[in-house]
Formats: sequence, structure tokens, C-alpha cells
Amino acid sequence: AQKVTQAQTEISVVEKEDVTLDCVYETRDTTYYLFWYKQPPSGELVFLIRRNSFDEQNEISGRYSWNFQKSTSSFNFTITASQVVDSAVYFCALSEASRSKLTFGKGITLSVRP
Amino acid sequence: EAGVTQFPSHSVIEKGQTVTLRCDPISGHDNLYWYRRVMGKEIKFLLHFVKESKQDESGMPNNRFLAERTGGTYSTLKVQPAELEDSGVYFCASSRRYGEGGAPYEQYFGPGTRLTVT
Repeated sequence: AQKVTQAQTEISVVEKEDVTLDCVYETRDTTYYLFWYKQPPSGELVFLIRRNSFDEQNEISGRYSWNFQKSTSSFNFTITASQVVDSAVYFCALSEASRSKLTFGKGITLSVRP
Repeated sequence: EAGVTQFPSHSVIEKGQTVTLRCDPISGHDNLYWYRRVMGKEIKFLLHFVKESKQDESGMPNNRFLAERTGGTYSTLKVQPAELEDSGVYFCASSRRYGEGGAPYEQYFGPGTRLTVT
């Protein structure tokens, strides 16, 4: 069975601080996909990134970066120079190649204070 | 393009009543998913349609839940009769069919329907 663990539940930082959101996953499949979604106060989940299990290159998109390490089954998300608009709930999710449904972690509530 | 829409945004019903949630996916998206988040818990998968066919309904909690997707367009999720434990936020998501090498496309989510059963 697949499982996603987001051990951090709430994080509070001051604007401009860097913050890392942790994600650890479990799966028996050799081919799988990892995702991060952001849920702002408006409620919808906003897709941020998809990474497949064969691509361990780290990715950077503006202030966002992702560190995928198969050796530790982790897919961590770092926000550099955080801003108030980054305040949201962030979900890590996993799907196995054989099924497209997403398995989510419990989410991390990030609060960025001015 | 318009995003995934869900109706209603909130619903408050009494135990034993019936409620129908509606989801309109992004136009052209064959895949449609229903998920649910019960307070304090993870977002959990309910079922997956490919066009009008149920591809995977392994997450449906019991036979009080009935999902349909008429003509492969919008979908409805009916709860009859509702129980207290059905309270939560119901999300709908849609995506295109599989991409290169069978890789799943990202799912686009609607804002959810908050269901409260009293």
C-alpha cells in the first residue's frame, strides 16, 4: 500500500525566511509520481509540481525548489524568501503508475507573518 | 479555460436526508475524480471516471454513495441517506488522459463542497 507522511503539521515563519516542507512516501511500485499542491484560503487545490520516480533532478521554479531523493523516499519542498501570499496548506501526494488516484499526506499549514 | 466547478459550495443537511453534489470538469478532460477530506484527516480518494465509465471506485465508503457521470461530462455524487460521519469537504478533480509513457497528467481540483450533516 502507498502512504505519504507529512510530519510537520503547522509552520510559522517571518516574511523573507526560507522554509522547507518535508514529505516522505512509501510505495512498492518502481514507477510512481510525486506531486505538491497548494491550498490557499479560497479552498481549491493548486497544482505546483509533478515528478516521476526516474527523474531525481532537483527542480527550481522561481522561489520554489524541490529536492527528490529516492534513497530516503523523500520529496521536500523549499520556499526561499517566503512571502505572506505563500500562507496556505501544502499537500504532498503520490500516485502509482498502475493507478492514477492520488494518495495525500495530511498537509502542512504554513503561516508567513509580515 | 474555465476551471473545475463544484456546486453547491456548502450544504447543511440533517441525518437521514439526501444530498447531491455536482462537479463540472474542465472541458475535454476525460478523467474525473472525487476525493473527500474529513476534518483533521487526509484527503482520501473516492472514485475515478474515465469518460462515463467508473475506472476505480475502491474508495467509495459504502453503498449510500452513488456517483454518476452522464455522457462523460459533469458528474454527480449522491449521498442517501446521509450520516454524521459523511461530513467533510468533497473535492472533484479532472485531468487529461495519460501522457507520454502512460504518465498521469496533473489533476486540477475544484474548490470543494463543504457538507455538514447534523
